Amino acid sequence: AQSVTQPDIHITVSEGASLELRCNYSYGATPYLFWYVQSPGQGLQLLLKYFSGDTLVQGIKGFEAEFKRSQSSFNLRKPSVHWSDAAEYFCAVEVMDSSYKLIFGSGTRLLVRP
Amino acid sequence: SQTIHQWPATLVQPVGSPLSLECTVEGTSNPNLYWYRQAAGRGLQLLFYSVGIGQISSEVPQNLSASRPQDRQFILSSKKLLLSDSGFYLCAGGAQETQYFGPGTRLLVL
Repeated sequence: AQSVTQPDIHITVSEGASLELRCNYSYGATPYLFWYVQSPGQGLQLLLKYFSGDTLVQGIKGFEAEFKRSQSSFNLRKPSVHWSDAAEYFCAVEVMDSSYKLIFGSGTRLLVRP
Repeated sequence: SQTIHQWPATLVQPVGSPLSLECTVEGTSNPNLYWYRQAAGRGLQLLFYSVGIGQISSEVPQNLSASRPQDRQFILSSKKLLLSDSGFYLCAGGAQETQYFGPGTRLLVL
């Protein structure tokens, strides 16, 4: 069965430090992969997506993610975190049966120390 | 890109009362539409999806129903709310592979 694992429930980093959020997926075919960000009480905003091609994808707000098929991973990175990046981050894999469906990980809450 | 509108933003309802949450989509035609629920501190659970007018698929058995009376309108309903229906409801839509999310409705059932 398809699944997404985000092993870190919480991560705390200092402002200006680099960030890596982990995501592992389980899916038999070539995956479509997404990262979304959710600020408290808000909807989800799409950060970036991977469908095919270059395995390093650039997104909004200075984020990037790398698809590694051999590790079934799609980790999100940012070289220098800003206080405004504090939020919850969700990784998702898309499956297709009668419609496109997203299967989400349980999320990682990012806290940023001043 | 698409814009997803949801209302109301917040709703407090007594147990046993009816529910109607509305979602509309701008910027695309014939989108796939989705309703998700997010319980406090948890991930997202897909409740319903629709690939066209009048076409609704339910992902989990529950007290809720969905309808799609127009191409870009998606409604989540209940005849009688339960305490367990409390949560954050998100509508999403997309023409193809990418889903865009609305701002959400926070529902508190008392």
